[in-house]
Amino acid sequence: AAGVIQSPRHLIKEKRETATLKCYPIPRHDTVYWYQQGPGQDPQFLISFYEKMQSDKGSIPDRFSAQQFSDYHSELNMSSLELGDSALYFCASSLIGGSGEAFFGQGTRLTVV
Amino acid sequence: AQSVAQPEDQVNVAEGNPLTVKCTYSVSGNPYLFWYVQYPNRGLQFLLKYITGDNLVKGSYGFEAEFNKSQTSFHLKKPSALVSDSALYFCAVRDYNAGNMLTFGGGTRLMVKP
Repeated sequence: AAGVIQSPRHLIKEKRETATLKCYPIPRHDTVYWYQQGPGQDPQFLISFYEKMQSDKGSIPDRFSAQQFSDYHSELNMSSLELGDSALYFCASSLIGGSGEAFFGQGTRLTVV
Repeated sequence: AQSVAQPEDQVNVAEGNPLTVKCTYSVSGNPYLFWYVQYPNRGLQFLLKYITGDNLVKGSYGFEAEFNKSQTSFHLKKPSALVSDSALYFCAVRDYNAGNMLTFGGGTRLMVKP
């Protein structure tokens, strides 16, 4: 079965650079979530989209932005990167009208040096 | 606001013994509760969920969880632990009266020793 696809799997950036993370949800899922997981931390909710509209907003810094496109894939754009942005970034998708559980991608490991 | 608490950072159990990983939650409306497992450098894998109905839900790999409304708990259990169950376990809650956001607990590391 198709799963959530994230790219790239690993990314190394320097401070003050920008990064774009991509997420391709499970086909026919209508909701995408972005989470940030720092070392030894639980996943922290950043932002979600339902039917291409932002639906919830969590602890996403102003330097970050995200959007969901017409084909339902989503991108997380991160600017002015800081060392503290180094983390695993997970995308998840779900079908709101279905049973509700979210399915997670493998994550993108971002390292800021 | 919704929240989840996992009071134990780590649970140690011998292989073959029963295991329990604790979770309590707080929501203003009706809770939808989930358990996920995370292996090193991997994404979170869905284990089981409680939406409505029977308080005891069964999930993948022999895991089950019991919803207790009066104690606002959703503890994860397994009758006989395997070494391969060693991983990080996250409890999560969604309040369907308050948006789609999944809120996770801090995680509990399960160590099963042979």
